Amino acid sequence: AQSVTQPDIHITVSEGASLELRCNYSYGATPYLFWYVQSPGQGLQLLLKYFSGDTLVQGIKGFEAEFKRSQSSFNLRKPSVHWSDAAEYFCAVGYYNTDKLIFGTGTRLQVFP
Amino acid sequence: NAGVMQNPRHLVRRRGQEARLRCSPMKGHSHVYWYRQLPEEGLKFMVYLQKENIIDESGMPKERFSAEFPKEGPSILRIQQVVRGDSAAYFCASSPSRQGDYGYTFGSGTRLTVV
Repeated sequence: AQSVTQPDIHITVSEGASLELRCNYSYGATPYLFWYVQSPGQGLQLLLKYFSGDTLVQGIKGFEAEFKRSQSSFNLRKPSVHWSDAAEYFCAVGYYNTDKLIFGTGTRLQVFP
Repeated sequence: NAGVMQNPRHLVRRRGQEARLRCSPMKGHSHVYWYRQLPEEGLKFMVYLQKENIIDESGMPKERFSAEFPKEGPSILRIQQVVRGDSAAYFCASSPSRQGDYGYTFGSGTRLTVV
């Protein structure tokens, strides 16, 4: 079955430190990949998405993600974290022949001053 | 330029009552998707609708849950005879075409609490 794994449930970083959130997907066909952010009590906001082409994708708020087909990964990165980045981050995967996104269980990011 | 509008934001129902959740997609979007987020979990797909049609309901529980997207008006997710296990955040998303092309725009969700 198709699945998305976010191995880190909770990550804590200091403000200004770099960040990498991990995401792995299970299915081998060409995926569409997404990262969403959810602030407490809010909906999901799209950070970035990958469909094809350049495997390094730039998103909003200074985030980027790199698609590595050999590792079935789509890790999210930010060089310098801000306190306002504290939120829950979800990786999701879709495929051309389906109509639904499959979400990981999320990584909760805490930022210390 | 309103986004995806969901109401109510919070809904409290007693066991056995009905819950109706509404979703108005973004202007120009004719594809609506419902997801459920249980506490401490990611979002799980429930149903995908286009105007007047259910396209994929593979994630809907077999009983008590139904969804519609009429020609006029919002999409409705209806839960009959709610139970404690239905307590969750329900998110609606819309897109101008099938999700593979553009990704979704999500609403802020309806948080259902069953007491």
